Amino acid sequence: QVQLQQWGAGLLKPSETLSLTCDVSGGSFSGYYWTWIRQPPGKGLEWIGEINHRGGTKYSPSLKSRVTISVDTSKKQFSLRMSSVTAADTAVYYCARGGYYDTSLWGQGALVIVSS
Amino acid sequence: SSALTQDPAVSVALGQTVRITCQGDSLRIYYASWFQQKPGQAPVLVIYSKSNRPSGIPDRFSGSSSGNTASLTITGAQAGDEADYYCNSRDDNGFQVFGGGTKLTVL
Repeated sequence: QVQLQQWGAGLLKPSETLSLTCDVSGGSFSGYYWTWIRQPPGKGLEWIGEINHRGGTKYSPSLKSRVTISVDTSKKQFSLRMSSVTAADTAVYYCARGGYYDTSLWGQGALVIVSS
Repeated sequence: SSALTQDPAVSVALGQTVRITCQGDSLRIYYASWFQQKPGQAPVLVIYSKSNRPSGIPDRFSGSSSGNTASLTITGAQAGDEADYYCNSRDDNGFQVFGGGTKLTVL
């Protein structure tokens, strides 16, 4: 059974860099879109960006200047880096896998708090 | 515009049918997907590519689309269907976009 297990620092200070990694276990790594999505406390879902099976990336226009998504196929992992975080970046961050229209597999979520 | 608009809250009597809608210009061209999210849990895909159900999703969940509006219909709503529901689609740049979410209450 395919699972996504994510980890990373949960408490950051303003201006620091957020770094999260998602490990893919139990399934193929090729042929999918690998996505990061976040959800501020009490609010809705926000798409951060994705990397596809060809290595192509797309980022939310509102976050593009601060975000990098990368993949390590040898380790079956993909990662999110977001620079210069502020309190507005406090959220639960989810990694997810899917096709173009079906983000069907989600990680458990990781709460990241930005506070001085 | 790539924005997707949902009603913030909808209620349904136990066992009745409810329709949750999502409006946006991009839905005229691109398929919608729907996610169910219960408190403290990750979202679960319930409908993709307008009307397809992933395996394990009950057939009381169905999806449709007309013009700029996508709909998620729950036929015979159960107490366990009480959750937040989000629509999702793509825009002309291929970026994903989510609706603001609809809180479904089962009375």
